[in-house]
Amino acid sequence: DAGVIQSPRHEVTEMGQEVTLRCKPISGHNSLFWYRQTMMRGLELLIYFNNNVPIDDSGMPEDRFSAKMPNASFSTLKIQPSEPRDSAVYFCASSQDSHNEQFFGPGTRLTVL
Amino acid sequence: AQSVTQLGSHVSVSEGALVLLRCNYSSSVPPYLFWYVQYPNQGLQLLLKYTTGATLVKGINGFEAEFKKSETSFHLTKPSAHMSDAAEYFCAVSASGTYKYIFGTGTRLKVLA
Repeated sequence: DAGVIQSPRHEVTEMGQEVTLRCKPISGHNSLFWYRQTMMRGLELLIYFNNNVPIDDSGMPEDRFSAKMPNASFSTLKIQPSEPRDSAVYFCASSQDSHNEQFFGPGTRLTVL
Repeated sequence: AQSVTQLGSHVSVSEGALVLLRCNYSSSVPPYLFWYVQYPNQGLQLLLKYTTGATLVKGINGFEAEFKKSETSFHLTKPSAHMSDAAEYFCAVSASGTYKYIFGTGTRLKVLA
């Protein structure tokens, strides 16, 4: 299995632009997670999907952030408009069930200028 | 509610020496505990996990951890450090296997030749 796939690996954009991060979970996993990692706040859970349905989005910072999972093999995290404080590494993770261990992708390093 | 404290944001050991990374947790319900490792520019990889049963857990790359309920600890050890162990290590807790992982702030391990 290829593991969790994320694209792009690096994204540099200017303030105000729309950013879309993509994730392909491990085949057969029904739970998907988006995390954000920063020096100040560490690893934070942004949103959790189970069977393509958002279950917990309490970690989404504000309305500028949105996430979708149109099918079992694809999810997006969108930031519109982006701001410099959104600069971070964004990880996608998946698990076989909500209570099994989570497998992380390589992350997308986002820089907003 | 759950929380995790990792003592020491940076730890240095000599190659061949004992590795000890400390993790203390707080949980109002029986916890599931995890150690993840993150190599530079990569995602998090599961080293080991404790769910129930045997309190001494063995993981990959020669690492092990012991769940001590009385001390609310889950310290990570390896008898002999190798240069390839240099990475950042994260302890995480979830409430009896629920999806919500609470991560510690991480400990960066440096291995000296």
